[in-house]
Amino acid sequence: NAGVTQTPKFRVLKTGQSMTLLCAQDMNHEYMYWYRQDPGMGLRLIHYSVGEGTTAKGEVPDGYNVSRLKKQNFLLGLESAAPSQTSVYFCASSPGTGVFDEQFFGPGTRLTVL
Amino acid sequence: AQSVTQLDSHVSVSEGTPVLLRCNYSSSYSPSLFWYVQHPNKGLQLLLKYTSAATLVKGINGFEAEFKKSETSFHLTKPSAHMSDAAEYFCVVSVLNTGGFKTIFGAGTRLFVKA
Repeated sequence: NAGVTQTPKFRVLKTGQSMTLLCAQDMNHEYMYWYRQDPGMGLRLIHYSVGEGTTAKGEVPDGYNVSRLKKQNFLLGLESAAPSQTSVYFCASSPGTGVFDEQFFGPGTRLTVL
Repeated sequence: AQSVTQLDSHVSVSEGTPVLLRCNYSSSYSPSLFWYVQHPNKGLQLLLKYTSAATLVKGINGFEAEFKKSETSFHLTKPSAHMSDAAEYFCVVSVLNTGGFKTIFGAGTRLFVKA
């Protein structure tokens, strides 16, 4: 099993550009999550999904959109990138709710917005 | 409301000595508590979790943590540090309430291990 994979690993954008980050998991997990990690702040939840076709807002959803058209994929979109979105983005998945279940994390995507 | 505070941003120990990483939490609901480890340029990996069963939780690589409700703490310990333990450690609190599920990560504690 590959576990949780993220594409791309690195990306540099100019302010105002758009992009999509792809997360894929091969563990048949129901729940998937997108986090951002900034220095000294731990991880903050952007959006999450409790199953195919569902999405919900996390702690810091502004400026991001997500879609879960297939159970194994969870896409994170930036419509108009801003320097404040420079961060490392992590995708995670869990078999059930992250309240009780371990979350499995991908390797991260390092995004720089100039 | 929920919050988690990792009391030390950096901890430095010598190889073979005990490790103590401190975590205090606040929650209006019965929380689940987790410790994750992140090695440089890697994703996070679960060390251990508490979900209202035994208060002393054993995890991987010799780590353990004790849930103390009266002190609202969930400190991570290991009797003897190894060089490979050098990493960043995150304490996490999760709750399920009427507003849905909420997960809060601490700011992290970076563990340095000296030879």
